[in-house]
Amino acid sequence: SQTIHQWPATLVQPVGSPLSLECTVEGTSNPNLYWYRQAAGRGLQLLFYSVGIGQISSEVPQNLSASRPQDRQFILSSKKLLLSDSGFYLCAWSVGTSGQETQYFGPGTRLLVL
Amino acid sequence: AQSVTQLDSQVPVFEEAPVELRCNYSSSVSVYLFWYVQYPNQGLQLLLKYLSGSTLVKGINGFEAEFNKSQTSFHLRKPSVHISDTAEYFCVLQGGSEKLVFGKGTKLTVNP
Repeated sequence: SQTIHQWPATLVQPVGSPLSLECTVEGTSNPNLYWYRQAAGRGLQLLFYSVGIGQISSEVPQNLSASRPQDRQFILSSKKLLLSDSGFYLCAWSVGTSGQETQYFGPGTRLLVL
Repeated sequence: AQSVTQLDSQVPVFEEAPVELRCNYSSSVSVYLFWYVQYPNQGLQLLLKYLSGSTLVKGINGFEAEFNKSQTSFHLRKPSVHISDTAEYFCVLQGGSEKLVFGKGTKLTVNP
């Protein structure tokens, strides 16, 4: 069966520091991968998605970036964190190319920027 | 443009009472609809989904939802809730692409 991992589970970082959040999927090949942010009172916002290694689509302009160095690894990064980057970051995966696939979510990383 | 409206931000109920969480959507194309549940400090778990076929969809934990195309609704129901159902519930739409459109969520609180 497929599983999705995210780490760290929680992170407290000072403003201006770098960020690296990792997401890995097991039990499937060539998944579509997604990064979402859930900010308090604002629902979920799609940040990035990837349909293959090195293929990243950005949904919103921001100081975050994403990379996909391996088939089942998706990394969310920042060079300098802002206070507004605080939130709950969720990684998700799906399989297929029809655009109608069910997405499955990881356990999330809670980020607090101080 | 596509949108999802969850009509209640918070729903308090007593244990063993029935519950309905309301969801309306707007889309110019055919849609797939989902309900996800998020327990405190956890990720989202898929409860159920409507892709096609029967408009009454049964999911995990005794939840069900009915797709109503004429009313553009996809309300979630459970005949008898438990304390453990306390969580936030998201109605989600997918139409024409891999991108999901989320409602703002409904916080269900089940009291003893």
